[in-house]
Amino acid sequence: KAGVTQTPRYLIKTRGQQVTLSCSPISGHRSVSWYQQTPGQGLQFLFEYFSETQRNKGNFPGRFSGRQFSNSRSEMNVSTLELGDSALYLCASSPSRGPPSYNEQFFGPGTRLTVL
Amino acid sequence: QKEVEQNSGPLSVPEGAIASLNCTYSDRGSQSFFWYRQYSGKSPELIMFIYSNGDKEDGRFTAQLNKASQYVSLLIRDSQPSDSATYLCAPNDMRFGAGTRLTVKP
Repeated sequence: KAGVTQTPRYLIKTRGQQVTLSCSPISGHRSVSWYQQTPGQGLQFLFEYFSETQRNKGNFPGRFSGRQFSNSRSEMNVSTLELGDSALYLCASSPSRGPPSYNEQFFGPGTRLTVL
Repeated sequence: QKEVEQNSGPLSVPEGAIASLNCTYSDRGSQSFFWYRQYSGKSPELIMFIYSNGDKEDGRFTAQLNKASQYVSLLIRDSQPSDSATYLCAPNDMRFGAGTRLTVKP
């Protein structure tokens, strides 16, 4: 079974621009979560989507948004980029069967975003 | 205040020793916990999860959960240089700790 895929793998943008990142979950997985990872802040939760609905949200400004399509693929958008948005953005999918408490996540390779 | 606390390390152990990684959490409603390993430049990968008080063993890895003390740990027996990585703890809401960097020296 193919793993989680993310595109693009690397991206360079300038301040003020916007960016859209894409994530394709493992086949059959209905939940997709997004994370931002930086050396200083570690792995921070952005949001989770399940059946096209945002089920959970972290503490990020409204510039960060996402959506999920009917085939479970997800996109994340960051508008008005700031230098501090430079990070590795990770997507993870989960089968989300049974109680959410017991659903492990499988991570994609990430998108490395650099904001100049 | 961070919900999950981990000693950022680095933790250094000799090859063959037991590595002990610890995690405390503040949300008493957390029902299960996941341990992930992240090699430098790679994505996190699941090692194991635990949702009952006590110990859970999987090969060289043992996870321990104490809900009364809000404490979860991961023991790695017979540590190998290939175990050198950052270990991340997360409750079921996936608010990860900062991770502990482990180095196993040959």
